[in-house]
Amino acid sequence: GQNIDQPTEMTATEGAIVQINCTYQTSGFNGLFWYQQHAGEAPTFLSYNVLDGLEEKGRFSSFLSRSKGYSYLLLKELQMKDSASYLCAVEDNYGQNFVFGPGTRLSVLP
Amino acid sequence: DAMVIQNPRYQVTQFGKPVTLSCSQTLNHNVMYWYQQKSSQAPKLLFHYYDKDFNNEADTPDNFQSRRPNTSFCFLDIRSPGLGDTAMYLCATSRDILKGANEKLFFGSGTQLSVL
Repeated sequence: GQNIDQPTEMTATEGAIVQINCTYQTSGFNGLFWYQQHAGEAPTFLSYNVLDGLEEKGRFSSFLSRSKGYSYLLLKELQMKDSASYLCAVEDNYGQNFVFGPGTRLSVLP
Repeated sequence: DAMVIQNPRYQVTQFGKPVTLSCSQTLNHNVMYWYQQKSSQAPKLLFHYYDKDFNNEADTPDNFQSRRPNTSFCFLDIRSPGLGDTAMYLCATSRDILKGANEKLFFGSGTQLSVL
């Protein structure tokens, strides 16, 4: 079966660093995506990992370990506008579907 | 500049009254998807079109239908909406079905449907 787990909610302080974890068990693996979704809006693409290791993009970095079925999204120098849900999604082997996790709702406090 | 456009942004309908949601894209992508996202839940794929080929997810209710008259447009028809169909409906596109490195979904802004 397909299963993706993320913490439901996290809280952090403006200027801090936060790590959002994602574990997955899927029938296949063609890559892992992180999307950001503000309340009432569509998800927007943040990052993509298909090989093990860390991908850095500005304040955001994403890490993947395929052997462990594990990824994390690291957000540095948090800003209030980073308050949103962060969705982990895995592209399965058939290339026809993204399996989304439930999302982690991040609240950034002043 | 909007690349995937959904109309309307908000839609209210009555229990049992058919409703159609629309999506258009300017990306000329081959694949168009419809996702349902209920409050605080992950988006759930309903179906997708690869060009004109329709692919229905096994657990998508028969109440949900889709049409893709051309490359640019895709419609979601809910024949007899129930209260449980209240959700955000997201349209997305991707260039191809075999996504390869760094292919990704492009989402529209969504239509928030309320069934009363």
